[in-house]
Amino acid sequence: QVQLQQSGAELAKPGSSVKISCKASGYTFTSYYISWIKQTTGQGLEYIGYINTGSGGTNYNEKFKGKATLTVDKSSSTAFMQLSSLTPDDSAVYYCAREGNWGLFDYWGQGVMVTVSS
Amino acid sequence: DIQMTQSPASLSASLGETVTIECLASEDIYSNLAWYQQKPGKSPQLLIYYANSLNDGVPSRFSGSGSGTQYSLKINSLQSEDVSIYFCQQNYDSPWTFGGGTKLELK
Repeated sequence: QVQLQQSGAELAKPGSSVKISCKASGYTFTSYYISWIKQTTGQGLEYIGYINTGSGGTNYNEKFKGKATLTVDKSSSTAFMQLSSLTPDDSAVYYCAREGNWGLFDYWGQGVMVTVSS
Repeated sequence: DIQMTQSPASLSASLGETVTIECLASEDIYSNLAWYQQKPGKSPQLLIYYANSLNDGVPSRFSGSGSGTQYSLKINSLQSEDVSIYFCQQNYDSPWTFGGGTKLELK
């Protein structure tokens, strides 16, 4: 069965970076994009961008350019998202999701809680 | 970016009741509208896509409708396991955007 297993919760200091992972299994990894979505209580769900798992090409929501960097390791079927120059506004749950069809997220990881605090 | 406005923000209903959640897009999204269900403490799950197509395994008491800028999710014969937050999302134009969510509780 399709599974997206994300790394564990992160506690980070303002100005630092974190890198979270999303390991896929149960399907051909390079046949689907992996997207990343931010969830906060106040802002709801926000689309960050996607990575083409075959080519490594990326597309970012303008709002997250310079904040998020998406990469992939095809050999381990794992996608990564690095968040840089962290501020308290980056505190959120971050999900990876498989993009099954154009802009549709048919499988989601369990989410990673990132807390930014001094 | 296309703005998605959901209503109501919260809803309380009884078992067996029919509930409807609305989603309004800031421009025509040509039925490129999905609904997700997020149960407490869990990740969102795709319920409906292209406005009215049920995802595999979704109970038939869920249905979607709408066109243009106005869409709705209907749940017939509400069950206890339907207690969730429901989100709409447009996949017509990137960046994909979500509604603010509707929290459905049991009365």
